[in-house]
Amino acid sequence: DAKTTQPNSMESNEEEPVHLPCNHSTISGTDYIHWYRQLPSQGPEYVIHGLTSNVNNRMASLAIAEDRKSSTLILHRATLRDAAVYYCILRDRGSTLGRLYFGRGTQLTVWP
Amino acid sequence: GAVVSQHPSRVICKSGTSVKIECRSLDFQATTMFWYRQFPKQSLMLMATSNEGSKATYEQGVEKDKFLINHASLTLSTLTVTSAHPEDSSFYICSATGGWQNTEAFFGQGTRLTVV
Repeated sequence: DAKTTQPNSMESNEEEPVHLPCNHSTISGTDYIHWYRQLPSQGPEYVIHGLTSNVNNRMASLAIAEDRKSSTLILHRATLRDAAVYYCILRDRGSTLGRLYFGRGTQLTVWP
Repeated sequence: GAVVSQHPSRVICKSGTSVKIECRSLDFQATTMFWYRQFPKQSLMLMATSNEGSKATYEQGVEKDKFLINHASLTLSTLTVTSAHPEDSSFYICSATGGWQNTEAFFGQGTRLTVV
């Protein structure tokens, strides 16, 4: 599976937007970009995923670069509950859904 | 979203004993379940993939005789850590896919195993 690179940590203030970057320069044409997050002492939860176009859902937005070599997870208004480790994961379209290889992720700290 | 439940959430066992962790999909049929291990301050590491009614597929470096996985029904998978040692102490997390949902995996809340 192609590799992703994320900053180790980022900080934000409550109610401000947060942009979490992810580089995936070796992404292939059939790789989906998935984002999961993990709150302390819990299992991960799905945030969003996309292939080529930008995506929005109730939790976040995913902006994918035109060349697909990077993407950005956008939390429009951070809350204290958004403090978590965010993982950007590539998954080949032909691979088993759910068979995920996690990197180190980005630890997001949200200040009140 | 769908719910995956793990039991127990915490367990302490003596070195040399075995411990079983259950993973249940509560509101959907999980055709595939996954087991991960996470050491403190580290990321999740995929241990194995299991499909209902068939043998699990283990990732490279994971001992299949030590980590026994059973996926006997579409709603239950179990992970048994046999002859546990202190170095097996970790956070074990399961996930599941299947049913109507075909875009994401649903994770359990994790099981904290401490071997003393």
